[in-house]
Amino acid sequence: AQSVTQLDSQVPVFEEAPVELRCNYSSSVSVYLFWYVQYPNQGLQLLLKYLSGSTLVKGINGFEAEFNKSQTSFHLRKPSVHISDTAEYFCAVSRKAAGNKLTFGGGTRVLVKP
Amino acid sequence: DVKVTQSSRYLVKRTGEKVFLECVQDMDHENMFWYRQDPGLGLRLIYFSYDVKMKEKGDIPEGYSVSREKKERFSLILESASTNQTSMYLCASSKALGAPYEQYFGPGTRLTVT
Repeated sequence: AQSVTQLDSQVPVFEEAPVELRCNYSSSVSVYLFWYVQYPNQGLQLLLKYLSGSTLVKGINGFEAEFNKSQTSFHLRKPSVHISDTAEYFCAVSRKAAGNKLTFGGGTRVLVKP
Repeated sequence: DVKVTQSSRYLVKRTGEKVFLECVQDMDHENMFWYRQDPGLGLRLIYFSYDVKMKEKGDIPEGYSVSREKKERFSLILESASTNQTSMYLCASSKALGAPYEQYFGPGTRLTVT
């Protein structure tokens, strides 16, 4: 079985400051990795995904994430946040043998302050 | 644009009632999923379906059943609602199992059981 840990449940950050959201996973097999975002009163939408190849993945809205196999991490970063980035962010993994069944982390709520 | 719609945004039911949550997708996706979302726990998979009339249990199927009679529609059924089923329910769809396709989410149904 796999599990996903998001180390911070809430991250307050000032507008135009950088932000990093941490995600660690455990799995005995190779995985695909995802970050989803949930804006207030909406469903989730995909920010970015790592399938293979380059360990640095760029997504929408200026976000990027780095896959670190040795540390089993997939941290999400943005160099300069906007008020509109206020949302909850979910890290998820899928075992390569299991297609696209996802296991989600507990979520990190980002509050961007002016 | 892919669209996943859920029948209600908010629902209030009494303990012991039978509850139906409906989900419809318009992209001819083979896979459909039901999750529940609780603070700090992220999203947990209840059931998924990879074809009409086909279903598999997810991580927390107890107290729930599902129905998929048509490709575009996936229903979640609470046979006898209990207060511990008060939660946000999210439906998602994706292309076929076996590849890391993006899941597209509906806006969610917030169910309160009193």
